[in-house]
Amino acid sequence: EVQLVESGGGLVKPGGSLRVSCAASGFTFSNAWMSWVRQAPGKGLEWVGRIKRRADGGTTDYAAPVKGRFTVSRDDSENTLYLQMNSLKTEDSGVYYCATERGETGEDYHYYYFMDVWGKGTTVIVSS
Amino acid sequence: DIQMTQSPSSLSASVGDRVTITCRTSQSISRYLNWYQHKPGRAPKLLIYAASSLQSGVTSRFSGSGSGTEFTLSITSLQPEDFATYYCQQSYSTPLTFGPGTKVEMK
Repeated sequence: EVQLVESGGGLVKPGGSLRVSCAASGFTFSNAWMSWVRQAPGKGLEWVGRIKRRADGGTTDYAAPVKGRFTVSRDDSENTLYLQMNSLKTEDSGVYYCATERGETGEDYHYYYFMDVWGKGTTVIVSS
Repeated sequence: DIQMTQSPSSLSASVGDRVTITCRTSQSISRYLNWYQHKPGRAPKLLIYAASSLQSGVTSRFSGSGSGTEFTLSITSLQPEDFATYYCQQSYSTPLTFGPGTKVEMK
């Protein structure tokens, strides 16, 4: 069974740091692009960042609100994705989901990416 | 960045109704548009990718259409399990962006 399980959430003070993890099973993790998506209380889904697979350069991209403060990394030997969050702000509070990004070739021969497997999320609360 | 809007922001419907949600983007994204369903306390669920392709295992009551800057998600014969919030998401360029969501509530 394809599964993603997030962990590591908790309560942290503004300005503090936290690392959350996402354990993957049931698929070849090293072949997957992976993203983090969050949902602040009462708000919608917000993409946080992504890491490509090593074969595609292993590069990362980030949303503007977290760029320079958050780092997405992966350990393919442990099938685990990480999100290191530094200089946390109250507005970073929310549920953090990891998701696989998979692509398929459409009928028009373009390659389309989508997030098809999601974890259940881990809750981060930034508060004094 | 590509901005996303959805309309309506919420709607009330009854079991058996047909529901249509519209997503618009600030620039043309061809067919790089996905739809997700999200229920409180649950993981988001992919419904439609590439604007109109039904994700494996998703009921055919869901369908998607559109290209360029305007897209729609339709739900035929709404069922109790369909009451949820629906999000569109563009995969044309980073930063990836989601629409603000449409909450489908029971009338």
